[in-house]
Amino acid sequence: SQTIHQWPATLVQPVGSPLSLECTVEGTSNPNLYWYRQAAGRGLQLLFYSVGIGQISSEVPQNLSASRPQDRQFILSSKKLLLSDSGFYLCAWSVGGSLQYFGPGTRLTVT
Amino acid sequence: AQKVTQAQTEISVVEKEDVTLDCVYETRDTTYYLFWYKQPPSGELVFLIRRNSFDEQNEISGRYSWNFQKSTSSFNFTITASQVVDSAVYFCALIVTSGTYKYIFGTGTRLKVLA
Repeated sequence: SQTIHQWPATLVQPVGSPLSLECTVEGTSNPNLYWYRQAAGRGLQLLFYSVGIGQISSEVPQNLSASRPQDRQFILSSKKLLLSDSGFYLCAWSVGGSLQYFGPGTRLTVT
Repeated sequence: AQKVTQAQTEISVVEKEDVTLDCVYETRDTTYYLFWYKQPPSGELVFLIRRNSFDEQNEISGRYSWNFQKSTSSFNFTITASQVVDSAVYFCALIVTSGTYKYIFGTGTRLKVLA
């Protein structure tokens, strides 16, 4: 069966520090991968999606970036965090259809 | 452009009451999917149901039921005999099949079921 992992589960980082969040999927090949952000008390916003290794599409201009170095690995990064980057980050995957499966999420607090 | 509206920000009910969560969507595409997800306090999104645009049959799964009406662009979700464990944020989402299957989420409805 397929599983999706995200780490770390929680993170507290100072403003201006770098960020790296990782998402990996097991049990499937060539998935579409997605990064979403949920600000406190708000809905989910799609940040990036990827249909293959090295293929990244950005939905929202910001100081975040994404990379997909391997088929089932998706990384969200920032060189310098802003206070507004605080939120709950969710990774999701899908294969050959519309249904997306979400990971457990990373709660990021920028102080 | 696509849009999903969940006008109810927060709903509180007493246990065993029935509750309906509203979802209204906008799209010009004729082929699309609608979803409901549940987000418990742990944060993970739990898939509840997917419905395609050509299937307007209502669905019932235990205490959950969904009413899809294309005429009013609505996909409402009803919980019968609510329980405390139903307390969560519920999201409605839309995907159009032209393009890369990007979800358009509503802003969510927080349901509080009081004992």
